[in-house]
Amino acid sequence: GDSVTQMEGPVTLSEEAFLTINCTYTATGYPSLFWYVQYPGEGLQLLLKATKADDKGSNKGFEATYRKETTSFHLEKGSVQVSDSAVYFCALILDTGRRALTFGSGTRLQVQP
Amino acid sequence: DADVTQTPRNRITKTGKRIMLECSQTKGHDRMYWYRQDPGLGLRLIYYSFDVKDINKGEISDGYSVSRQAQAKFSLSLESAIPNQTALYFCATRGDRDRETQYFGPGTRLLVL
Repeated sequence: GDSVTQMEGPVTLSEEAFLTINCTYTATGYPSLFWYVQYPGEGLQLLLKATKADDKGSNKGFEATYRKETTSFHLEKGSVQVSDSAVYFCALILDTGRRALTFGSGTRLQVQP
Repeated sequence: DADVTQTPRNRITKTGKRIMLECSQTKGHDRMYWYRQDPGLGLRLIYYSFDVKDINKGEISDGYSVSRQAQAKFSLSLESAIPNQTALYFCATRGDRDRETQYFGPGTRLLVL
């Protein structure tokens, strides 16, 4: 079945550090890929997405590139802020069927001042 | 006002009790979903609905039932709650124009004693 694997957290960084959160996927078709973010006490919000190979999604300084050859969608940010502290979920959706999201287990990011 | 609302936000109940979680949306979306979130497991799909007359089971539907009372309302019921149903429950919607993006409610935290 389809699955998403994320690096385990928590990831603890100092402010202005470089962030990478790894995400790889297994899918039977050609998925669209997403990063969702969950701030403390809130629901999930879409951070960025990419719908086909080599697409780069970007938002709020975060980026991720859809790499079909390595089945990866790693999240990066050049300089994190304390306000980026949250749980980040990688997810995929296929173009057919129920089109419900398949999520990774989430990675907690803690940014210290 | 939030586009996707969930009630209650927090609930404590006892084993064997029936409980209903409610979700309402003002986005006019046909597709609605119920997920549960457990630590270290990400979000998993319980049920989904493509319209009022189309309801489908997800990966972990055992012990749950749903009701789609109207386009805007999708309720999740635990007929006889058990402690391993303690989790954070999220409702989500999806529209036709942006077929990839789901919009999440703030979540309901449920504790079954």
